[in-house]
Amino acid sequence: GAVVSQHPSWVICKSGTSVKIECRSLDFQATTMFWYRQFPKQSLMLMATSNEGSKATYEQGVEKDKFLINHASLTLSTLTVTSAHPEDSSFYICSADSQGAQPYEQYFGPGTRLTVT
Amino acid sequence: GESVGLHLPTLSVQEGDNSIINCAYSNSASDYFIWYKQESGKGPQFIIDIRSNMDKRQGQRVTVLLNKTVKHLSLQIAATQPGDSAVYFCAEKAQAGTALIFGKGTTLSVSS
Repeated sequence: GAVVSQHPSWVICKSGTSVKIECRSLDFQATTMFWYRQFPKQSLMLMATSNEGSKATYEQGVEKDKFLINHASLTLSTLTVTSAHPEDSSFYICSADSQGAQPYEQYFGPGTRLTVT
Repeated sequence: GESVGLHLPTLSVQEGDNSIINCAYSNSASDYFIWYKQESGKGPQFIIDIRSNMDKRQGQRVTVLLNKTVKHLSLQIAATQPGDSAVYFCAEKAQAGTALIFGKGTTLSVSS
């Protein structure tokens, strides 16, 4: 149980275009999901906290108008990178809060590799 | 041995050795700590966790030690195997419902 999926697993897009990444909790409901970004040979950096039915909370330095997060259902959160530029190329990882018997656990997706050319 | 450069520090060990990976965490109010293993191109994989009311927890071949006085966490891997080669991250969480915050990470390289 507690599986989180992401789609796509990798995507290449041209500079100036937008790309959407989906994060789904497959066998549980997640009222809270988190989005992380990871550059090569670096750690995971929290971008935003996504709560179902409300606006996401962004970390300092993350542009909310560039990284649009929508958490419209208890099993789906999406991250849209708008007007992507090469510096947005990164590994994007989502995570869902368990909120169950193990309230501290977070379940991670497999990540999405974004390359902007 | 261990080396630290511009990127993640690397710990190089021989197969069969015991490995110790260290982490300094930032928030003295953190209540929950996890060690993750990450292989290239994949998401983090849970290894072991510990709550702040404990100072040691053991799993299969792994042990986590927590020293709250100096805000230090360590992961011990017994009889390290080539399959253990990966990047290891510690992560902390202040309370349920908040996000895990990740430490810098260490690359473990196991040679046979």
